[in-house]
Amino acid sequence: EVQLVESGGGLIQPGGSLRVSCAASGFSFSTYSMNWVRQAPGKGLEWLSSIIASSSAIYYADSVKGRFTISRDNAKNSLYLQMNSLRVEDTAMYYCVREGDGGSYSAFWGQGTLVTVSS
Amino acid sequence: DIVMTQSPDSLAVSLGERATINCKSSQSVLYSSNNKNYLAWYQQKPGQPPKLLIYWASTRESGVPDRFSGSGSGTDFTLTISSLQAEDVAVYYCQQYYGTLYTFGQGTKLEIK
Repeated sequence: EVQLVESGGGLIQPGGSLRVSCAASGFSFSTYSMNWVRQAPGKGLEWLSSIIASSSAIYYADSVKGRFTISRDNAKNSLYLQMNSLRVEDTAMYYCVREGDGGSYSAFWGQGTLVTVSS
Repeated sequence: DIVMTQSPDSLAVSLGERATINCKSSQSVLYSSNNKNYLAWYQQKPGQPPKLLIYWASTRESGVPDRFSGSGSGTDFTLTISSLQAEDVAVYYCQQYYGTLYTFGQGTKLEIK
């Protein structure tokens, strides 16, 4: 069974940094592209970033480019999102997402970790 | 970036009736080399992460009831629920995964009339 468990969320002041993590199990992590998607309270879904299996290609939404960094450790079956220069508008639930078997649709989602940026 | 626009923003349908949600992309998400539309649909219930319903515009994910169907090609897509059940109350999102920057529609809230 595919499992994605996010951690590392919490309350952080504007301008601060935070790293959220995702522990993956139940599949061959090193063979799948992974994504981060967020959802602000009461709002819709926003795709943030993706990283292919080998980490040789990485993509970001314009809203986080230059502030957020996605990475993965295939030996530890883990995905990370380093978030710097956090803003109030970055407050959201952050979801770890695995692509599908045959394409880049978002097949499996974690339960999310909540990041709150507030003074 | 490809902009995804859903309509309507909210929808109220009677139990047993058909529900139709539309999704329009600002450019085609049909990849000519494989004739596949890079479009997916998700269902999100309160307090839960989204759940994949449909991918490649019309392929139903395993375990998804057959009252859910997807159609369309190029820039215009539709999610249809043929006979609305109480458990279908949720927010529905489309997403394009064409290219390297994936984007979601703003969501459609489906309620019971």
